[in-house]
Amino acid sequence: DAKTTQPNSMESNEEEPVHLPCNHSTISGTDYIHWYRQLPSQGPEYVIHGLTSNVNNRMASLAIAEDRKSSTLILHRATLRDAAVYYCIRERGNKLVFGAGTILRVKS
Amino acid sequence: GAVVSQHPSRVICKSGTSVKIECRSLDFQATTMFWYRQFPKQSLMLMATSNEGSKATYEQGVEKDKFLINHASLTLSTLTVTSAHPEDSSFYICSAAQGFGGELFFGEGSRLTVL
Repeated sequence: DAKTTQPNSMESNEEEPVHLPCNHSTISGTDYIHWYRQLPSQGPEYVIHGLTSNVNNRMASLAIAEDRKSSTLILHRATLRDAAVYYCIRERGNKLVFGAGTILRVKS
Repeated sequence: GAVVSQHPSRVICKSGTSVKIECRSLDFQATTMFWYRQFPKQSLMLMATSNEGSKATYEQGVEKDKFLINHASLTLSTLTVTSAHPEDSSFYICSAAQGFGGELFFGEGSRLTVL
């Protein structure tokens, strides 16, 4: 099964870091790990992706376990605008198969 | 940055009619585009892979005669929902990439309501 496993929902306080976990125990060596987020009635928005090494960009950091069976998306300082559904996805040949995602709620 | 645009963003049609949704990559060429559908409070479900100049590849359980996909150019893929019924009402989203292993760009989505 190409889908990943994520918690259904998480809650964070504004201005605090958020760690969103993801399990992908059956990932193959050439599958990339992508994270996207989606607001209601909008298309998904790219957050970050990686293969083996940890990755950083202006939006977030991605920590990938050494065995690649899990990863964690890190939002360093959550804002109200970060409230969304976050999808952790295995990508193979540009093909993304979405799982259920994690609903992130951010409290002010 | 790269942008993928869909049109129309909303469409309402009568049962039995056909509806066409366009997906355009605005500033890059995409040999492959993907079509998804999303029901309320559910995740995106991949419907098919649209290949420029060749037939689309459909996911299991998706009726190819119901959802016609045409990828006539490197910047345009179209999804036609034929003989639409109320159960086809959904949010349809496309995506495209410039290469492999990079960011995929999603359209804004098209909400279809079949009366």
